[in-house]
Amino acid sequence: DAGVIQSPRHEVTEMGQEVTLRCKPISGHDYLFWYRQTMMRGLELLIYFNNNVPIDDSGMPEDRFSAKMPNASFSTLKIQPSEPRDSAVYFCASSLNRDRVADTQYFGPGTRLTVL
Amino acid sequence: AQKVTQAQTEISVVEKEDVTLDCVYETRDTTYYLFWYKQPPSGELVFLIRRNSFDEQNEISGRYSWNFQKSTSSFNFTITASQVVDSAVYFCALSEAMYGNKLVFGAGTILRVKS
Repeated sequence: DAGVIQSPRHEVTEMGQEVTLRCKPISGHDYLFWYRQTMMRGLELLIYFNNNVPIDDSGMPEDRFSAKMPNASFSTLKIQPSEPRDSAVYFCASSLNRDRVADTQYFGPGTRLTVL
Repeated sequence: AQKVTQAQTEISVVEKEDVTLDCVYETRDTTYYLFWYKQPPSGELVFLIRRNSFDEQNEISGRYSWNFQKSTSSFNFTITASQVVDSAVYFCALSEAMYGNKLVFGAGTILRVKS
């Protein structure tokens, strides 16, 4: 079975540009999560969806960040405009929802974003 | 509030040594889940184990074993006869039932296994 798929794997952009990160969760998974990993802050949850609906976006750092999940097999995380401090590795993860039990989250390979 | 503490920032061992990675957590919930993930130098996050708060049985999987003690709020991870391929960053994480599926990660422990 295919795991979580993320694209692109690496992104280098200039400050002020729009960046879109993409994620395809594992088929049949009900939850989708976006995390950011930096040296300073470690792994942080940005937002998560259940059945395509955003449940908690309290981790989104500011209005420059937005996330969508138009269907069960695709999600995007957009940064507009990007800033150098957004440089990080962005992970997408997905999990099943079995009787509201916190099931295991499986992570994609991550997108390494560098904003110059 | 959820909190996970991995006090060991970095550990270095020689191949074949046993090594224990510590994890201490804080939670007010009676139903919670604990996880360990491995992040090798290639960068992906690999799931190792999930344990719920009602199951304090220790678990062994090959050279890996986990010791869950609610009395000390700890969920420690031991690698027996370490190998160079075990070199990675290891993360402990907590999920509370009242917060749905949200995972809170510890800062991670860098394990270096030298040949």
